[in-house]
Order: sequence, then C-alpha cells, then structure tokens
Amino acid sequence: RKEVEQDPGPFNVPEGATVAFNCTYSNSASQSFFWYRQDCRKEPKLLMSVYSSGNEDGRFTAQLNRASQYISLLIRDSKLSDSATYLCVVEHITGGGNKLTFGTGTQLKVEL
Amino acid sequence: GAVVSQHPSRVICKSGTSVKIECRSLDFQATTMFWYRQFPKQSLMLMATSNEGSKATYEQGVEKDKFLINHASLTLSTLTVTSAHPEDSSFYICSARMGPRTDTQYFGPGTRLTVL
Repeated sequence: RKEVEQDPGPFNVPEGATVAFNCTYSNSASQSFFWYRQDCRKEPKLLMSVYSSGNEDGRFTAQLNRASQYISLLIRDSKLSDSATYLCVVEHITGGGNKLTFGTGTQLKVEL
Repeated sequence: GAVVSQHPSRVICKSGTSVKIECRSLDFQATTMFWYRQFPKQSLMLMATSNEGSKATYEQGVEKDKFLINHASLTLSTLTVTSAHPEDSSFYICSARMGPRTDTQYFGPGTRLTVL
C-alpha cells in the first residue's frame, strides 16, 4: 500500500464548478499535512497547510480527519488557471529530521 | 518567500557520462537540503537528505555510489549522477530548509535530465 494515495484523475470540470479531491495516508504518526500544486514540468508549490480544524484560503478549503487518516481539498468557483496537478503531502519525523512524502497527484483540468 | 535555484534546468547527455546538478539557496542558509526524483506521471520520490557538513542520508533503494551528494556550504548542495544511463532520465528537484525540524521546504525549479 502506498504511503499517500490519491485518485490520479483527470478531473475535467467547467469553469465555475466546485471540485473536491481526497487523499488517504497510511502512517498514523504523520505530523503535518499539505496540499501542493504542480504545473506541468515545474516544481511543486505549496498551496496550503491542512489542519484538523479545517482551513480556508480564498476559494480553497482543506480538511484533515486524523481518525480516518483522510485529507481533502475543495476548490470553489474553479478558474482556468486552477488547471494543474494537486499533490497531497504528508510530513513525519524521522531520526534524520522531518520528511515529506508525496502522493502521485490528482490532475485537474478546468474547461470553458 | 525564500528562493532556491537549480542549475542546469535541462541537460542531455550520453550514456556513461556523469552529470552534476547544483542546488542553491539564494537568500537564506539551508542547513538541510533534499534531493527528489520524479518520473513521468509518478510522485516525487525522496532520494536523499543532506545536512551541511555531514554525509547525506540515502533512502532505501538509492545507490549512494551512483548519486553523489555534496553539501559543502550552507547555500549549496550538488548531486552528481555518475555513469548515467537512460533509466536515470528523470526530473530531479532539490529543496532546502533552514533547519531539520522547521516546517517549510522551498523547492528549486528542477532539472530535467535526459540520457541518450
């Protein structure tokens, strides 16, 4: 089983739609959780951190359920510029420091 | 935000040659740097973690003699792919962090390696 699992998509949605991505992780000792965005042939960029209380940043809402080891990302009022791959990322502590584990990503295509 | 650069951005080489990739933190001192590899349609996979002034810690399955990592200063880490083969063709991305237990990793723009 992969440490971080995501539906690869693609999710094809019209502009203005609301779309939700889910992610599950296997390491119950994971400490921190993030959503990153990666455009084609580019490096990943931090979109937002994810907290149990849920957090919102404009059109983006992230939620963490530690009991179910489940993370979600909701994008409202999708824009063409939201088209990208969204990576679910989990951080855990090791003897050598904190490490990030990336999911394979969910591809989003927002269309006119 | 903090800036991390990588050089070169793209490299094409012949099988059997060695390729060096540089990762620099431009406006902060990075005590820890990470090297990742990403194959098409796959996730970023951590290859190794390097702390300035000490030997890199390699992930399971990554050959330390093939992927040489040097983190000689607080702003520079290098990855050398020795005797590269076509299966080493990939997107190599570094990231840098100010300390081993701080939250944020700042990613470089990546280096696309193609081995012919």
